[in-house]
Amino acid sequence: KAGVTQTPRYLIKTRGQQVTLSCSPISGHRSVSWYQQTPGQGLQFLFEYFSETQRNKGNFPGRFSGRQFSNSRSEMNVSTLELGDSALYLCASRGLGQGSGANVLTFGAGSRLTVL
Amino acid sequence: QQPVQSPQAVILREGEDAVINCSSSKALYSVHWYRQKHGEAPVFLMILLKGGEQKGHDKISASFNEKKQQSSLYLTASQLSYSGTYFCGTPPAGNTPLVFGKGTRLSVIA
Repeated sequence: KAGVTQTPRYLIKTRGQQVTLSCSPISGHRSVSWYQQTPGQGLQFLFEYFSETQRNKGNFPGRFSGRQFSNSRSEMNVSTLELGDSALYLCASRGLGQGSGANVLTFGAGSRLTVL
Repeated sequence: QQPVQSPQAVILREGEDAVINCSSSKALYSVHWYRQKHGEAPVFLMILLKGGEQKGHDKISASFNEKKQQSSLYLTASQLSYSGTYFCGTPPAGNTPLVFGKGTRLSVIA
């Protein structure tokens, strides 16, 4: 089956702008999580969506938001971009259920955001 | 609470062994290991669900010491293809999203 698809793969924005990133999970996966990856901090959890509801949220400012649609596709938005928002944004989906495999994350290739 | 990984980076020659440690100040419900090669997405390696559990995949194995709140990843007879950044992740509670360590960059040279 198809993997996790993220678009766009690369984008350049300037400070103050806003950006929307998209993620299509593996078919049948209803949970979508977003992570920010930077060289110094590794993978930082942003938020998780399940059945169109935000279930968990990381420690990021309100400029970071997201949503999930009925087909499980998710978007994240960052408003009023700052230089420090430059990062690789990774989306991951998982199938929630019984068994050890239920909690395994499958990551997309990421969207690399550069803020100038 | 972000788990702590050590070392931060390691360079190996082909055939050498390495150990990557992951520890937490809080109780660990499970430990997940992922590898990210340069320019690629992180890929799942293995999950350890309970204390004392050990798993292996080819020449990569891991252990989970629940009492010590730590896990170790063992890479035996390393190959060039093992190069990448290894992350451990733990759920803060039950079925919650993973919190990852900062990663260990492993470089295997010929």
